[in-house]
Amino acid sequence: AQSVTQPDIHITVSEGASLELRCNYSYGATPYLFWYVQSPGQGLQLLLKYFSGDTLVQGIKGFEAEFKRSQSSFNLRKPSVHWSDAAEYFCAVGSSSGGYNKLIFGAGTRLAVHP
Amino acid sequence: DTGVSQDPRHKITKRGQNVTFRCDPISEHNRLYWYRQTLGQGPEFLTYFQNEAQLEKSRLLSDRFSAERPKGSFSTLEIQRTEQGDSAMYLCASSSGTSGGPGGPDTQYFGPGTRLTVL
Repeated sequence: AQSVTQPDIHITVSEGASLELRCNYSYGATPYLFWYVQSPGQGLQLLLKYFSGDTLVQGIKGFEAEFKRSQSSFNLRKPSVHWSDAAEYFCAVGSSSGGYNKLIFGAGTRLAVHP
Repeated sequence: DTGVSQDPRHKITKRGQNVTFRCDPISEHNRLYWYRQTLGQGPEFLTYFQNEAQLEKSRLLSDRFSAERPKGSFSTLEIQRTEQGDSAMYLCASSSGTSGGPGGPDTQYFGPGTRLTVL
């Protein structure tokens, strides 16, 4: 069965420090991968996505992610974190069936940023 | 393009009451999805519409839940005889369809959600 694992429930970093959020997926075919961010009480905002091609994808707000097929991973990175990045981050895989994609999400990683 | 909108943003109800939520997708999007998110978890798929046709329902969608998209535009999600376990954030997403043919990638854009609290 398809699944997404985000091993870190909570991460705390200092403002200006680098960030890496881990995501591992289990999917039999070519995965379509996404990172979304959710601020408290809000919906999900798309940060970036991987469909094919270059395995390093750039997103909004200075985020990037790298698809590594051999490790079944799609980790999210940012070189310098800002206080406004504090939020919950969700990795998702698009489960392709019947001509459409439903998203399977991980449980999320909550990011706290210390000044 | 004003994004996906949902109404209401918050709903508090007593156990046993019926509630209805509305989702207005991005105007040119023919695909609409409902997800449910409980505290501390990622969203879980509930159902999918292509235009007005409901093409998939998750087993999470019990008989008390019904969703419609009567004219292929806005959608409603109704919960009858609410239970405390229904307390969650209900998220709607829309997309313009898969590129590259069936099974191709599809980017979903989410609304702000409706937070349901059942007392």
